[in-house]
Amino acid sequence: GESVGLHLPTLSVQEGDNSIINCAYSNSASDYFIWYKQESGKGPQFIIDIRSNMDKRQGQRVTVLLNKTVKHLSLQIAATQPGDSAVYFCAEISNTGFQKLVFGTGTRLLVSP
Amino acid sequence: NAGVMQNPRHLVRRRGQEARLRCSPMKGHSHVYWYRQLPEEGLKFMVYLQKENIIDESGMPKERFSAEFPKEGPSILRIQQVVRGDSAAYFCASSPGTGVSNQPQHFGDGTRLSIL
Repeated sequence: GESVGLHLPTLSVQEGDNSIINCAYSNSASDYFIWYKQESGKGPQFIIDIRSNMDKRQGQRVTVLLNKTVKHLSLQIAATQPGDSAVYFCAEISNTGFQKLVFGTGTRLLVSP
Repeated sequence: NAGVMQNPRHLVRRRGQEARLRCSPMKGHSHVYWYRQLPEEGLKFMVYLQKENIIDESGMPKERFSAEFPKEGPSILRIQQVVRGDSAAYFCASSPGTGVSNQPQHFGDGTRLSIL
């Protein structure tokens, strides 16, 4: 069945370092991927998205890479700041069926000053 | 420019009672999605609705759970005869339409449901 999983449940970095959060997905029919950031007590906040016809997309301090060959997605955060501390989820939408998001279990990013 | 609004933010119910969770989508959005999140887990899809229509309820438990999105007013997720296992955070998201071109879904800050 569909599944989206993450390799590392917790990632600890120093302020100013670059962070890389990884995600594996199993549904080859997925054609749209999103990274969300969730702070304690809040809902998921959109960070960046990418469609399956792309392999890289850049935003402000963030880059998403998509490798469809190995079904792997990553989020790179440049110059990580304490305010980046949160749980990060990858999510996917299949090109079949309806528009439900399938979420991974999340990676907690801890940024030390 | 309000985002997705959910209320209440916290809801406490005793076993056997009913829980009603409300969601007002972003202005201009006519598609609503409900997700459930257990502690330390990702969100799990429950149901997708448009105004007056349930489009996909494949993630909804067969019993006790229902959802609606009336022509006027917020979307409601209703849980009857709650049990301890219903304790979770329930999130609502909205989008202006269907399809990838109408993504991403924007989320509210959720309702934390606690069952005593």
